Amino acid sequence: GPKVLQIPSHQIIDMGQMVTLNCDPVSNHLYFYWYKQILGQQMEFLVNFYNGKVMEKSKLFKDQFSVERPDGSYFTLKIQPTALEDSAVYFCASGTFQNTLYFGAGTRLSVL
Amino acid sequence: QQQVRQSPQSLTVWEGETAILNCSYENSAFDYFPWYQQFPGEGPALLIAIRSVSDKKEDGRFTIFFNKREKKLSLHITDSQPGDSATYFCAAHSNYGNEKITFGAGTKLTIKP
Repeated sequence: GPKVLQIPSHQIIDMGQMVTLNCDPVSNHLYFYWYKQILGQQMEFLVNFYNGKVMEKSKLFKDQFSVERPDGSYFTLKIQPTALEDSAVYFCASGTFQNTLYFGAGTRLSVL
Repeated sequence: QQQVRQSPQSLTVWEGETAILNCSYENSAFDYFPWYQQFPGEGPALLIAIRSVSDKKEDGRFTIFFNKREKKLSLHITDSQPGDSATYFCAAHSNYGNEKITFGAGTKLTIKP
């Protein structure tokens, strides 16, 4: 089936540093999402993105977070600066209008 | 506010038995309910989904039963196999554009051989 690729699979950084999580969505998809999961528990919505704009974001999407997809390339989540509570697995997903979301395998972010 | 609730948190059944996973929701605007299956170290993958105009959706050993009046649904897995051991997320969203999908907290299912 369609594949969403996330790079890297694991990122370890020091608190206060900047990190960029990369997502290569399914090629013809237009809607993009980031979700946060801690310890295999609930999938928490962060943000969704369409036509170059953020459509909706949750309280978890702090001011230190930003997303972009320059020139149809990777869909990225940037955190600057990082905090200890940002440690989690971040899942990228893509989809078409009112259709199934396809998730990547996640990037495990460890903030030390 | 927990808009999608799942129970039980964890469930263990024997191979061959039927596993029943429960889900309820609060938002009357929700009308599409996908169930996602997640194995350790992987992202969630769509397993089966139902729209609110239906009361039942079947796909092989997996069946969703939906009660719109009570805002409840359940996923039944018949003839459970060890390979079904995973975390199952009930999710929901409305039909107003491509909104976020709201997930429940998940049910961790273990099938004992």
